[in-house]
Amino acid sequence: QVQVVQSGAEVKKPGASVRVSCKASGYTFTGYYLHWVRQAPGQGLEWMGWINPSSGGTNFAQKFQGRVTMTRDTSSSTVYMELSRLRSDDTAVYYCARDRGDGYSWHFDLWGRGTLVTVSS
Amino acid sequence: DIQMTQSPSSLSASVGDRVTITCRASQTISNYLNWYQQKPGKAPNLLIYAASSLQSGVPSRFSGSGSGTDFTLTISSLQPEDFATYYCQQSYGIPRTFGQGTKVDIK
Repeated sequence: QVQVVQSGAEVKKPGASVRVSCKASGYTFTGYYLHWVRQAPGQGLEWMGWINPSSGGTNFAQKFQGRVTMTRDTSSSTVYMELSRLRSDDTAVYYCARDRGDGYSWHFDLWGRGTLVTVSS
Repeated sequence: DIQMTQSPSSLSASVGDRVTITCRASQTISNYLNWYQQKPGKAPNLLIYAASSLQSGVPSRFSGSGSGTDFTLTISSLQPEDFATYYCQQSYGIPRTFGQGTKVDIK
């Protein structure tokens, strides 16, 4: 079954870091970029960045530069997103999404169920 | 960054209505435009990619059109399961920006 499965909910204090995982199965892990998108409560979708599971290359939204790290483990077909120096406004559901395309179109065709990260003192 | 602006932000409609949502990009994006549907507590689901291509498994009552800067998502006959929030997204450049969403609820 083609899917990406994310880790469970997290509660963190301000200033801490959180690491969310996204495990791919049912397809060639290194064949597709994986993106991270977050959604604050009652708000819209915010793109955070991508990782190339083949090379480990990354690209982040300027807003998160210096605070976000994305890594991958090809042996377990898992990518990780770590966000540091957490603030209360980082409280959100974090999604990983597979990027599918052929140069004429790029689109997120497979999404994880999301991981709720709550930042609270 | 490319800004994506959807209109309206919300709308009320009845089952069977024809619904149209528009999305405007701040610069030309060719046809690099996707539409997603999101229901409460769920992940977004791809409906339309490349402005007008229907994702596999998506009902044919959904259609997309447009190119350049102006795009449209149309639901030809609204069904009960279509009440949700819809987002456009450009994939022309990085960052992959989304519109602010259009919530479709029951009239």
